[in-house]
Amino acid sequence: GQNIDQPTEMTATEGAIVQINCTYQTSGFNGLFWYQQHAGEAPTFLSYNVLDGLEEKGRFSSFLSRSKGYSYLLLKELQMKDSASYLCAVRDQGNQGGKLIFGQGTELSVKP
Amino acid sequence: KAGVTQTPRYLIKTRGQQVTLSCSPISGHRSVSWYQQTPGQGLQFLFEYFSETQRNKGNFPGRFSGRQFSNSRSEMNVSTLELGDSALYLCASSLGPGRANEKLFFGSGTQLSVL
Repeated sequence: GQNIDQPTEMTATEGAIVQINCTYQTSGFNGLFWYQQHAGEAPTFLSYNVLDGLEEKGRFSSFLSRSKGYSYLLLKELQMKDSASYLCAVRDQGNQGGKLIFGQGTELSVKP
Repeated sequence: KAGVTQTPRYLIKTRGQQVTLSCSPISGHRSVSWYQQTPGQGLQFLFEYFSETQRNKGNFPGRFSGRQFSNSRSEMNVSTLELGDSALYLCASSLGPGRANEKLFFGSGTQLSVL
């Protein structure tokens, strides 16, 4: 079956670094996405990985290991506005369209 | 460029009724996908439309249906509403299939409450 696991909740301190992990088991693999969703708002795109390795974009980085079915999102220099839900999503094999399989999301709370 | 627009923002219905939700994609985007978001299940894929044709369908009952118009706007319909249909319904648009890194742009959703 298709399964994506990520922690339900995490708490971190302003200015710190936090790593949100995501493991997946899907019918093949055609890319992994991370989205950020603030309460009551639309999910917004953060990153995309299809090859193994680290993709860096400002304070946000995302890592992928296809052999391990594992990804993480790294947030540096945390700010209060980073308090949000972080969604890991996989596009499975043979699918290049809008069908993504989402994890339950990780609710990140940033404390002063 | 305007983002993805979903209407209405909130909706309250009673069991047995039907509902139609609307989504206008970003200008130039031809693919529209629909998702249901609930606290217990997270985001679950409903269906995807491209060029007025359904390309992909999730594991939802036939009470959930959709369509896309020639201007790429899309509607989804839920008939014979059940209490469990209460959820945030999100629409996402993209340029279209064929690009593996094709990312989705989401609207703010329609919050449906079934009483």
